[in-house]
Amino acid sequence: KNQVEQSPQSLIILEGKNCTLQCNYTVSPFSNLRWYKQDTGRGPVSLTIMTFSENTKSNGRYTATLDADTKQSSLHITASQLSDSASYICVVSDRGSTLGRLYFGRGTQLTVWP
Amino acid sequence: EADIYQTPRYLVIGTGKKITLECSQTMGHDKMYWYQQDPGMELHLIHYSYGVNSTEKGDLSSESTVSRIRTEHFPLTLESARPSHTSQYLCASSSLSGLPSTDTQYFGPGTRLTVL
Repeated sequence: KNQVEQSPQSLIILEGKNCTLQCNYTVSPFSNLRWYKQDTGRGPVSLTIMTFSENTKSNGRYTATLDADTKQSSLHITASQLSDSASYICVVSDRGSTLGRLYFGRGTQLTVWP
Repeated sequence: EADIYQTPRYLVIGTGKKITLECSQTMGHDKMYWYQQDPGMELHLIHYSYGVNSTEKGDLSSESTVSRIRTEHFPLTLESARPSHTSQYLCASSSLSGLPSTDTQYFGPGTRLTVL
């Protein structure tokens, strides 16, 4: 069964600290993995996308890693800011969103305290 | 910021009412989607469209219907709303590029529906 599991379910950190969010998937075949940020009451916004051959991808203070062999990905946030408080969703595509389907994790709810 | 819009942002209605949730995008995307999301849960695909006059049901069974008469417009209709329809509805669109490395779904801000 194709699934995407994220951990932890929720996380509280202090402003300025780093954190790492995890995503394990069993989706096959694999096309790409994307991390989205969803602010409360808003739609998800794409942060990074990685295909099978990519191990790491950065977007400012966000760095995503992918191990296609173990089917694991992580999102590392450096020097957290209050605006990082949001839900971070891992999304795996089997054949690309054009031809295939997307598998969504439930997200990690991150809260950054001052 | 993606050019995809949803109205209304919030809607509170009584049981049995007919409602239409609007979604429009100005990016010229061929493919559009409707998702349903409950708090703390994953997004569930309820409808999608490859283009004008094309509509398909998604993975999650839904009593809603959709239409795609214009490329930029993808409204969702509930003929008779029930409390079980209370949820967040997210519209998204993507380009039919066919390239796994670049395909991206752009999401609207969502409509929070509450049926009393």
